[in-house]
Amino acid sequence: AQSVTQLGSHVSVSEGALVLLRCNYSSSVPPYLFWYVQYPNQGLQLLLKYTSAATLVKGINGFEAEFKKSETSFHLTKPSAHMSDAAEYFCAVPERGTGRRALTFGSGTRLQVQP
Amino acid sequence: DTEVTQTPKHLVMGMTNKKSLKCEQHMGHRAMYWYKQKAKKPPELMFVYSYEKLSINESVPSRFSPECPNSSLLNLHLHALQPEDSALYLCASSHGDRGGGNTEAFFGQGTRLTVV
Repeated sequence: AQSVTQLGSHVSVSEGALVLLRCNYSSSVPPYLFWYVQYPNQGLQLLLKYTSAATLVKGINGFEAEFKKSETSFHLTKPSAHMSDAAEYFCAVPERGTGRRALTFGSGTRLQVQP
Repeated sequence: DTEVTQTPKHLVMGMTNKKSLKCEQHMGHRAMYWYKQKAKKPPELMFVYSYEKLSINESVPSRFSPECPNSSLLNLHLHALQPEDSALYLCASSHGDRGGGNTEAFFGQGTRLTVV
């Protein structure tokens, strides 16, 4: 079954610093990969998605992610962190082979941005 | 319109109460979901409706009862809940490709449920 692993439950960066949140996927190349953001007491918002059309995917709020098949990775980056980026970030992949049309989420990474 | 609307935003209920959570989308999506999210955890799938049919039940206790009256609406009926059921309940929808693929899911803002 498809799964994703997020390395680092907490990441802390200074405002203006590079943001790097890690996500690795398992087994075969998935047709889609997603990054979602969740602000406190809110639902999940899609940041970006990989659909095999391009390995470098640009999303909202200045985030981007690069699909690397050789590393089975889909890490999320942003060149310069802003205080408003503080949130929980989830990597997700569609389930395959189960007949379910649902997402499997990573464990999440909480991003803190220090002034 | 790319919104999934959930009501209410907050709900406090006693263990003997009956209440319902509501979810609505007008994106023409044919798959709708209920997820449960505990603090500091990822969402956990509870129910999936595909073309208004319940296609999966993740062994959720019977005190949770889903209903899909039409392709735009999804309800979650709650009865005799326990304090450990307190969580954020998220509704989501997606295109639900019959071919088995899956595009992104759109999530509502959630209902923060507290069982006392």
